[in-house]
Amino acid sequence: AQSVTQPDARVTVSEGASLQLRCKYSYSATPYLFWYVQYPRQGLQMLLKYYSGDPVVQGVNGFEAEFSKSDSSFHLRKASVHWSDSAVYFCAVSPLSGSFNKLTFGAGTRLAVCP
Amino acid sequence: EAAVTQSPRNKVTVTGGNVTLSCRQTNSHNYMYWYRQDTGHGLRLIHYSYGAGNLQIGDVPDGYKATRTTQEDFFLLLELASPSQTSLYFCASSDVWGQDTQYFGPGTRLLVL
Repeated sequence: AQSVTQPDARVTVSEGASLQLRCKYSYSATPYLFWYVQYPRQGLQMLLKYYSGDPVVQGVNGFEAEFSKSDSSFHLRKASVHWSDSAVYFCAVSPLSGSFNKLTFGAGTRLAVCP
Repeated sequence: EAAVTQSPRNKVTVTGGNVTLSCRQTNSHNYMYWYRQDTGHGLRLIHYSYGAGNLQIGDVPDGYKATRTTQEDFFLLLELASPSQTSLYFCASSDVWGQDTQYFGPGTRLLVL
């Protein structure tokens, strides 16, 4: 069964600093990979997704993520965070084949950006 | 952009009570999903549907029923609510299947006393 691990429950960074949120997945083949963000009192929104090709994918609001097959990872990065990036970030995976490919979410990482 | 709405936004009930959570999407997406979100667990899939009248079981279905009455409307039913069902519930929809972007509603916070 597929699984997703986000090892950091909470990350605190200063505004303007760089950011990396970690995600490791467990699956027998390369899955579809997603990052979703949940702002306070809102539903989840997709930031970016990876299917194949260039391992670095660009998302909205300056976010990017890098897929590593050898490391089974899909870490999220941002060069310079803003206070408005404070939110909970979820990594999710979905298998490549099958009639229904459900999303499996990690537990989430709560990001706090300090002024 | 896809629009998914949920009602009510907050609900308090007592153990053994009957609760219905409603979800509507206005983009004619085929797939709709119900998740629960609990601290330390992320989102877990309860039920999903790929069209009106269709229902599929997710990963944590015990104690929940669901019904998809139209392309737009998907309901989650708790017929004998228990405190363990206190959670934040999200509905989502997608056009094709799980690999496609899922669009989420704002959530319903349920408290079972």
